[in-house]
Parts: sequence; structure tokens; C-alpha cells
Amino acid sequence: GAVVSQHPSRVICKSGTSVKIECRSLDFQATTMFWYRQFPKKSLMLMATSNEGSKATYEQGVEKDKFLINHASLTLSTLTVTSAHPEDSSFYICSAQPDGYGYTFGSGTRLTVV
Amino acid sequence: GEDVEQSLFLSVREGDSSVINCTYTDSSSTYLYWYKQEPGAGLQLLTYIFSNMDMKQDQRLTVLLNKKDKHLSLRIADTQTGDSAIYFCAESIGAAGNKLTFGGGTRVLVKP
Repeated sequence: GAVVSQHPSRVICKSGTSVKIECRSLDFQATTMFWYRQFPKKSLMLMATSNEGSKATYEQGVEKDKFLINHASLTLSTLTVTSAHPEDSSFYICSAQPDGYGYTFGSGTRLTVV
Repeated sequence: GEDVEQSLFLSVREGDSSVINCTYTDSSSTYLYWYKQEPGAGLQLLTYIFSNMDMKQDQRLTVLLNKKDKHLSLRIADTQTGDSAIYFCAESIGAAGNKLTFGGGTRVLVKP
């Protein structure tokens, strides 16, 4: 079946540094990918929709300059958390749609900012 | 507007059936999904149903959709300890490539 690979699975970084998270579709092409954030024991909140070759579409309240998204190829989207702060600590998950129906999710990235 | 709601917690004995319920408000939902999330992991698609269907069965899983009441349920037959996880229902609206709106998740605990 379709696989979405997300890397790294865990990252710890210092306040003020930037962290890049990669999301790859391994056996299909994805013109669109989605980035979600999940707080502890909470549901998933859509942050942005990543579009190959064009600008990402951000949800209301999500800072574009804080969460930089790049979708340079049909199989790779990246989310960069810039100048990270402890409140950015969270579980970030990407997803893509290999067919017209189901959404496949990556395994997630646990970001801890210290 | 979009709003998807689920009960928070369900406890079930191993071997019994589990029923997880979900309600949504947007009648223009196209697809409705059930995802499973184990601790520290991503989301695993369990099943989905197109909005013009009433029921879908896949091995131990049965999805029922009541469009009139905007109610979706997932029944897991012969629940096993490995079924302990958080289950999310989600809806998508319109054409493929649209975003998913998730419920808050139901934590299912299977007791031996």
C-alpha cells in the first residue's frame, strides 16, 4: 500500500534554533500534502496544505513565517519550524492522498524544544 | 461549519464488540473516515465510507452511516487487546485533495 515516510521521528532542539521535518511519499506522487499538529491527548489540527510548485495554504491562526513549508517535488514536502520555542513542542504529522479517497499519514515527529 | 464530535473514552472486555460513535454537522461531507492511533505513532487508516453509502464491512470492522442524523459509527467485532488505541473519525468535503476535519478521538481500552 501507499506509504508516507516522515523524518525525523523525534527531535530535541534548543530554543531559538530551527528544525526541519521531511515528509516523503514513497511509492506515489503527491501534488498536495497536509501538515497537522497534535497536542497531548488532543485531536489533530490542520496547519497548512502544501502544494507542489506553489505556495502553501495556511489555516487561520498559523504563522507562515514561523512554520515554513516547501513542496519542491512531487514526493517531498518539508516543514521548518523557525526560531523554535518551548510552546512549539508538539507532535507534527504529515499526510498525503495516494488515490482519490484515503489519506495516508506519516508516523509523526515529536518535537521537543528546550 | 465543520464540527466533528466523539465520546472521549470506551472500555470494553476482550472478545466483546466495541462501538465507537461520531457525529458531524456538515451535511456536504463526501467521505468519512476512521483512523487508529497507537501511542507515539502516526495515524493508520482503518476504513472509510462514501457519503452515499449506509454501511461498509471489512473483516472485523463495520461502519454505519446515518446521513439523516449525521451519525457515524465503527463497530469492532471480537475486540482484542491490540485494538486498544485512540480512534479518530474524520470527514472530508468536496473533491479529492480537500482537508480532513477530525473528531477529538475516542480512547478505547480493551481489558483482558
